[in-house]
Amino acid sequence: GQQVMQIPQYQHVQEGEDFTTYCNSSTTLSNIQWYKQRPGGHPVFLIQLVKSGEVKKQKRLTFQFGEAKKNSSLHITATQTTDVGTYFCAGSRGSSNTGKLIFGQGTTLQVKP
Amino acid sequence: DTGVSQNPRHKITKRGQNVTFRCDPISEHNRLYWYRQTLGQGPEFLTYFQNEAQLEKSRLLSDRFSAERPKGSFSTLEIQRTEQGDSAMYLCASSLFRHTGTLLGYTFGSGTRLTVV
Repeated sequence: GQQVMQIPQYQHVQEGEDFTTYCNSSTTLSNIQWYKQRPGGHPVFLIQLVKSGEVKKQKRLTFQFGEAKKNSSLHITATQTTDVGTYFCAGSRGSSNTGKLIFGQGTTLQVKP
Repeated sequence: DTGVSQNPRHKITKRGQNVTFRCDPISEHNRLYWYRQTLGQGPEFLTYFQNEAQLEKSRLLSDRFSAERPKGSFSTLEIQRTEQGDSAMYLCASSLFRHTGTLLGYTFGSGTRLTVV
């Protein structure tokens, strides 16, 4: 079945350093969504990417969707302690964006002040 | 509208008992999803509805699990004859699927944490 893998599983950075998490799918995805889950909280939607090669930015966060629509990345510039949490990518397979999302196992970010 | 609401927040039950969870989605959303999450893992898909129709159920889900969304509004997830392996956070999410064929991001509820002892 479809699998979505994320690396690394954990990342510890000093405040101000950059952070990147990578997401890879075994099959072509119709879209990628990214979520953030704070400790003890629930996943919160960040962004959706639909087009091949798409790049979107939200302040210090940059999201990319690969040309083959099988991988994605999230890059955070100059991390802050408020960035702490687990970042999940999630994709739906097939040619249309109609089905359920399959989540990766997440990358947990710790930021040392 | 205060978002997606789930009840109860916590449930402790003895092995073999039945439990039922409730989810109230955002009223404008036509899609409702159930996921299960264990520590250190991403949410695992269980089932989803569009309005009152159950469109897909995970093959990982045993016959002990059943979900309903009778009037296309709130949904219930029932687990019969609970086992210790059922202990997890059960998350409900809702979303809007547009007639243009696009799906918006999920809004998750705070979840129901189930502990089977």
